[in-house]
Amino acid sequence: KNEVEQSPQNLTAQEGEFITINCSYSVGISALHWLQQHPGGGIVSLFMLSSGKKKHGRLIATINIQEKHSSLHITASHPRDSAVYICAVRAGNMLTFGGGTRLMVKP
Amino acid sequence: ETGVTQSPTHLIKTRGQQVTLRCSSQSGHNTVSWYQQALGQGPQFIFQYYREEENGRGNFPPRFSGLQFPNYSSELNVNALELDDSALYLCASSLAAFGSGSPYEQYFGPGTRLTVT
Repeated sequence: KNEVEQSPQNLTAQEGEFITINCSYSVGISALHWLQQHPGGGIVSLFMLSSGKKKHGRLIATINIQEKHSSLHITASHPRDSAVYICAVRAGNMLTFGGGTRLMVKP
Repeated sequence: ETGVTQSPTHLIKTRGQQVTLRCSSQSGHNTVSWYQQALGQGPQFIFQYYREEENGRGNFPPRFSGLQFPNYSSELNVNALELDDSALYLCASSLAAFGSGSPYEQYFGPGTRLTVT
């Protein structure tokens, strides 16, 4: 079993829809990252969380430390949001990544 | 401030050869981490360097080695290349090492795509 599990693996949405991507982890962590990866490989850090909730524009990330679960929400989705979204958890000296959620937003 | 840069962007090598990948950290960052991302999978942690010393290592064999220089640029060296080493190699820099108690942000480079034939 992977230490970091994301769901769904693939997600197709219509422009304007509200999107939720989930991340569950099995180890104690000091921080959780949500990352966005576009075709070609470049990774952009969206959020770094250790508790509660963060919001940036149309993106919201929440984390529940007790339940070892985090969610990334995208409101009013747009085709330019199409990318792979990756959850990564930090424990000790290591960053462990989930397998990613491939999101496609259709116009 | 400049971002994280990596070179080369693409590379093709033959099985058994050796390869060196390079990373320039974001200005002021003293920690660099290297990751391997196979096609269709999430990245995997290779190792981290903090102030020129290895500061943590993932589940990769010794033929994966690294260096960090006084200007905090870094190299990833892979010896005796295998077909399974074909992947996107990402480096990321931050202001502090993991385990330091400071959850600093990581800034990723664009990656080097290595193909081993």
